[in-house]
Amino acid sequence: GAGVSQTPSNKVTEKGKYVELRCDPISGHTALYWYRQSLGQGPEFLIYFQGTGAADDSGLPNDRFFAVRPEGSVSTLKIQRTERGDSAVYLCASSLTGGARVGETQYFGPGTRLLVL
Amino acid sequence: AQRVTQPEKLLSVFKGAPVELKCNYSYSGSPELFWYVQYSRQRLQLLLRHISRESIKGFTADLNKGETSFHLKKPFAQEEDSAMYYCALSPGGFKTIFGAGTRLFVKA
Repeated sequence: GAGVSQTPSNKVTEKGKYVELRCDPISGHTALYWYRQSLGQGPEFLIYFQGTGAADDSGLPNDRFFAVRPEGSVSTLKIQRTERGDSAVYLCASSLTGGARVGETQYFGPGTRLLVL
Repeated sequence: AQRVTQPEKLLSVFKGAPVELKCNYSYSGSPELFWYVQYSRQRLQLLLRHISRESIKGFTADLNKGETSFHLKKPFAQEEDSAMYYCALSPGGFKTIFGAGTRLFVKA
């Protein structure tokens, strides 16, 4: 079946603008994760959803970042008043149940490359 | 603080040579540890996890709690192993902490 998909693949915006990044998880996966990967770094955890609720949003850097998953499937990461430092690849992943404690496999999307000018 | 350190940004070996990608972690509890790989123009994917004690594509990784290490090893590197490798730690609660990655280049 189809893997995790993310749109757009690339997004160029100007400083101060609002952007939305979309993630379509694997069908039937209840857990969804957002990561941010800056140049030369590994993915950095942002937020984790179990179903519709954000079970852990401790990685969101500030209140300009917000994510939703209203129907427990598609998720949108929203960034307000973008800054140049927000430029990065934003990765989405999903897993079947969210059992990271027992090493459940996370399946990653291709990422959205965000560039803030 | 929970941290994963991969001391080498780039590792270059010849085909057929042994390879070891180093990973050290900082965590006070019993960690879940993983290696992820990203091949050129492909998405990030799980290579192996320590709880499974598995060997994938000839790679193995042993958890050494005394040295807080989880090095990835392969006895004979192949050109198709060239990729970006990330060591990762899950302290529980579904968060995964990644290292900065090591780019492995296997020369013919």
